[in-house]
Amino acid sequence: AQSVTQLGSHVSVSEGALVLLRCNYSSSVPPYLFWYVQYPNQGLQLLLKYTTGATLVKGINGFEAEFKKSETSFHLTKPSAHMSDAAEYFCAVTPRDSSYKLIFGSGTRLLVRP
Amino acid sequence: DADVTQTPRNRITKTGKRIMLECSQTKGHDRMYWYRQDPGLGLRLIYYSFDVKDINKGEISDGYSVSRQAQAKFSLSLESAIPNQTALYFCATSDFPPSAGDRETQYFGPGTRLLVL
Repeated sequence: AQSVTQLGSHVSVSEGALVLLRCNYSSSVPPYLFWYVQYPNQGLQLLLKYTTGATLVKGINGFEAEFKKSETSFHLTKPSAHMSDAAEYFCAVTPRDSSYKLIFGSGTRLLVRP
Repeated sequence: DADVTQTPRNRITKTGKRIMLECSQTKGHDRMYWYRQDPGLGLRLIYYSFDVKDINKGEISDGYSVSRQAQAKFSLSLESAIPNQTALYFCATSDFPPSAGDRETQYFGPGTRLLVL
């Protein structure tokens, strides 16, 4: 069965530092890929998604992610962290043979130090 | 106004009580979903509905039931709440079929935090 692995349940960075949140999927056929963010006491908000085409995807708030088929990865990055980026980030996938199924990773909580 | 709303936002109940969580959307989407979120487990699908007459179980439907009252409304019920149903519950909708060249995407409500004592 398809699974999603997010390495590191907590990631801590200093303000202004690079943010790197890791996501790997398990299927041999690349799925559709999503990153969602959950700010404290709020619902999930779509950051970005990869469906087809260019493998570097730009999202909201300066985040981007790169699909690497050879590494079965879809890591999320941001060049310079802001305090407002502190949140929980979820990687999710939809298998190519399913239109609706959204399989989530366990989440990574990003802490930003002043 | 939010496109996907959930009521209540917080609820405390006792073991054995029946409760209902409600979800409404103004996005015009046919597909709606209920998830629960537990720390360290991400989100897991409870039930989903492709339209008013099409309701399906997700991976963790035991102990839950749903009702799709209209295209815009999808309610989740716990017939007899138990403590391990304490969780954060999310409703979502999706845009099927998606726009040309895009992929079906789910949009989430703000969540309902449920505590079962």
